[in-house]
Amino acid sequence: DIQLTQSPSFLSASVGDRVTITCRASQGISSYLAWYQQKPGKAPKLLIYAASTLQSGVPSRFSGSGSGTEFTLTISSLQPEDFATYYCQQLYTFGQGTKLEIK
Amino acid sequence: QVQLVESGGGVVQPGGSLRLSCAASGFTFSSYGMHWVRQAPGKGLEWVAFIRYDGSNKYYADSVKGRFTISRDNSKNTLYLQMNSLRAEDTAVYYCAKDRGYGSGSYYNALFEYWGQGTLVTVSS
Repeated sequence: DIQLTQSPSFLSASVGDRVTITCRASQGISSYLAWYQQKPGKAPKLLIYAASTLQSGVPSRFSGSGSGTEFTLTISSLQPEDFATYYCQQLYTFGQGTKLEIK
Repeated sequence: QVQLVESGGGVVQPGGSLRLSCAASGFTFSSYGMHWVRQAPGKGLEWVAFIRYDGSNKYYADSVKGRFTISRDNSKNTLYLQMNSLRAEDTAVYYCAKDRGYGSGSYYNALFEYWGQGTLVTVSS
């Protein structure tokens, strides 16, 4: 089974910062990777799929890149509503999550 | 708009059973595969089960295989999860999710496009 490892697990940043979260797969998965955002007490929300395709309605400050075994989610300028936990996913496997907190 | 509403959660003793339901609306339910995904308190996401659009194929996580059964009634636009022999480690919020699988050639990749609000299952004596 493929394993997904996210780094960092916790990230502290300020409004306006540019942040990057990395997801590494234990074996090559082409571009079959998605990213989700989850706020406390809420269901996850799909942000990006196929590594870099923005889901409809997601702000353009979110972007994804990568292929093979290394992928990144970038938020170009953090907004207050972006502080949440982010998960990568491939098929039936999720990464362990990255909690983005306000500095 | 797409709506998924879970119900049926609650407190159950170890070894007990529970059936979750997910009522779907806003899309052609009979055309899409559906998933159950769970999240233990303070933990990450864990995929539980998947059923094809017509119910012809079902897949389960090893952690629930033989104990949980996913099913659907396309005439009622409803997804189900029958959970038997429940254990403390099954305590979690259970979400249903609409699949928007993608891929190329024969490769399929799951994509959890829309999620319900979740229903909490607590297994405790």
